Amino acid sequence: NAGVTQTPKFQVLKTGQSMTLQCAQDMNHNSMYWYRQDPGMGLRLIYYSASEGTTDKGEVPNGYNVSRLNKREFSLRLESAAPSQTSVYFCASSERGIDEQFFGPGTRLTVL
Amino acid sequence: SQQGEEDPQALSIQEGENATMNCSYKTSINNLQWYRQNSGRGLVHLILIRSNEREKHSGRLRVTLDTSKKSSSLLITASRAADTASYFCATDTGGFKTIFGAGTRLFVKA
Repeated sequence: NAGVTQTPKFQVLKTGQSMTLQCAQDMNHNSMYWYRQDPGMGLRLIYYSASEGTTDKGEVPNGYNVSRLNKREFSLRLESAAPSQTSVYFCASSERGIDEQFFGPGTRLTVL
Repeated sequence: SQQGEEDPQALSIQEGENATMNCSYKTSINNLQWYRQNSGRGLVHLILIRSNEREKHSGRLRVTLDTSKKSSSLLITASRAADTASYFCATDTGGFKTIFGAGTRLFVKA
């Protein structure tokens, strides 16, 4: 079992470019999450999907969109990247919202 | 500000010593979780303690929860160099919005 996988591992964008971060889990989990981690600030929730077919905003959703493509996959899209979106992005999944979360290895994004 | 705040921000100890990290939070919780993050990696779940529990053990880890003081502590006994990592508390207040603190950086010297 691969657990939670994320692609790409690294990405450099110019301001205004768009990109999609991909996430997939093979644990048959219902819930999936996208976080960003900035130095000294811990993780902040961008969007989550409680179950297949639903998505909701987290703490810092501005500038992002998500798609729960199916039960396995949850993508995060930056439509027009800004330097403030330079961060490490983590995808996570859990069986239910109250359970432990399993994290992917992260995507390190730099916006110039 | 963050729901969960860890203290200290950084901790340096010798191998074999115990390491204690604290977490304080502001609002009522359903459960509190502790995670470890090795440099450049994703977070790994260590232990979950529910709001009606006071203490929980897992191997060399001991977690306590005091809901009256809105605080939790993580004790790692007999630390090893491999325990060097950042440790985060995460509070679940319901509605899928788990909130992470800024973390404690632990350095265990061999």
